Amino acid sequence: SQQGEEDPQALSIQEGENATMNCSYKTSINNLQWYRQNSGRGLVHLILIRSNEREKHSGRLRVTLDTSKKSSSLLITASRAADTASYFCATSNSGGYQKVTFGTGTKLQVIP
Amino acid sequence: ETGVTQSPTHLIKTRGQQVTLRCSSQSGHNTVSWYQQALGQGPQFIFQYYREEENGRGNFPPRFSGLQFPNYSSELNVNALELDDSALYLCASSTRERSYGYTFGSGTRLTVV
Repeated sequence: SQQGEEDPQALSIQEGENATMNCSYKTSINNLQWYRQNSGRGLVHLILIRSNEREKHSGRLRVTLDTSKKSSSLLITASRAADTASYFCATSNSGGYQKVTFGTGTKLQVIP
Repeated sequence: ETGVTQSPTHLIKTRGQQVTLRCSSQSGHNTVSWYQQALGQGPQFIFQYYREEENGRGNFPPRFSGLQFPNYSSELNVNALELDDSALYLCASSTRERSYGYTFGSGTRLTVV
């Protein structure tokens, strides 16, 4: 079963524009992570935000977390064609072991 | 520092057969997790191994089993293959004591015919 649901399912933007993806989850978490996947291959870890953090930046990425609403957003600024990929949010539970549960993904297309 | 490597990259099996997929964890990582990703879906958690013991399992039947070895490499075994087992199988390594996220391998694409 999926813990997270990303919104939108698909997003198409022009190069240079900003892309925003949202993620909602159901249960309490230890942290939330975002991953990128190119062409159905391995996932690449982008950024991790802990449950006691509200915002985090990494290069052109900005992630926010609202634990009261059980939601997160990923903003990619000044998008490039190379950002074209699927993006997944993943939550790590608060239990005894770190089970990471992935959402359904947002497919981002950046048009040159 | 080495990454996570998986083998083979592609595999075709017949329904009813058995398959073993292999994963070599990133150096220094003591935890390995396996995921199944069907086309167009997010990865689904199969199980996790920590120091050679299974310490978490998703909603997968017992015919999915695994091993983790002292050098932290790992295997995923699937018995009595079904057509629905066709998917991308991903191995991810991490360090249990530090929440820095997973390092994924490139996956094994399994096709069951």
